Amino acid sequence: DSGVTQTPKHLITATGQRVTLRCSPRSGDLSVYWYQQSLDQGLQFLIQYYNGEERAKGNILERFSAQQFPDLHSELNLSSLELGDSALYFCASSVGNSGRWADTQYFGPGTRLTVL
Amino acid sequence: DAKTTQPNSMESNEEEPVHLPCNHSTISGTDYIHWYRQLPSQGPEYVIHGLTSNVNNRMASLAIAEDRKSSTLILHRATLRDAAVYYCILRDMKRNTGNQFYFGTGTSLTVIP
Repeated sequence: DSGVTQTPKHLITATGQRVTLRCSPRSGDLSVYWYQQSLDQGLQFLIQYYNGEERAKGNILERFSAQQFPDLHSELNLSSLELGDSALYFCASSVGNSGRWADTQYFGPGTRLTVL
Repeated sequence: DAKTTQPNSMESNEEEPVHLPCNHSTISGTDYIHWYRQLPSQGPEYVIHGLTSNVNNRMASLAIAEDRKSSTLILHRATLRDAAVYYCILRDMKRNTGNQFYFGTGTSLTVIP
C-alpha cells in the first residue's frame, strides 16, 4: 500500500459526459501528479500540482482539468468524454517538487475509466 | 528528457538472477537514472535510482556503465512476485519545470516457476 488513495476504482460513463476523479496523497506529500495509461499510448504524464499550484503540464487535453485543494487532495475533471478517453488514470504523490533525485513518486491504485 | 531504450520482454527462471538492461546514449551529466516497476493491475512502484555509482537496496541493484550510456537493473533472485513491467526513466536534475516522469514502453519480465 503506497498511501495514495484514489476514488472511484471503476467508472463507466457515456460519451459526452463529465466525470471527476479524486486523489488523496500520502500524508506530508505536497506534490500530486496525474498520469493516463492506455493500451496504445502507455503511461503518459498529464499534470503536476505542488502545494495547490500547477507546476508542470504534459499531454493533457483541453477537455481535462485538475486542481489541488488546500487539504492537498486533488481532482481530475474530464469533460466531453470520448471513447478514446477510456484508460487507467493514476495519481502519484511526492514530498516536494524541486526535481531532486530523492523525490520518489508513490502511485495510487488507479481509476479505470470506461467510456461507452 | 533524454530517451531510454529497453527490450520489450525478458524471461527468467524463478530464484535465478535477472539483469534488465537500459540504454540511454543521450544521457546528460545531470540526469538521474530511475527504475520503477508496475505489477499487474497496480500502479507503478519505485525500485531504485542512481547517478554515477552502482547502488544497492533491499529490492535490487543498479549497475551504471562508466560512460553512463547504459545501466542494468539486477534482481538477485527472481520470484514470481517480480513479474512486472520495468521502466527505466531519466530525470534531469537541472530542469526546474516539475518532477514529472516520462515513461517509455518498459520491459515486461516473465518469471518461470
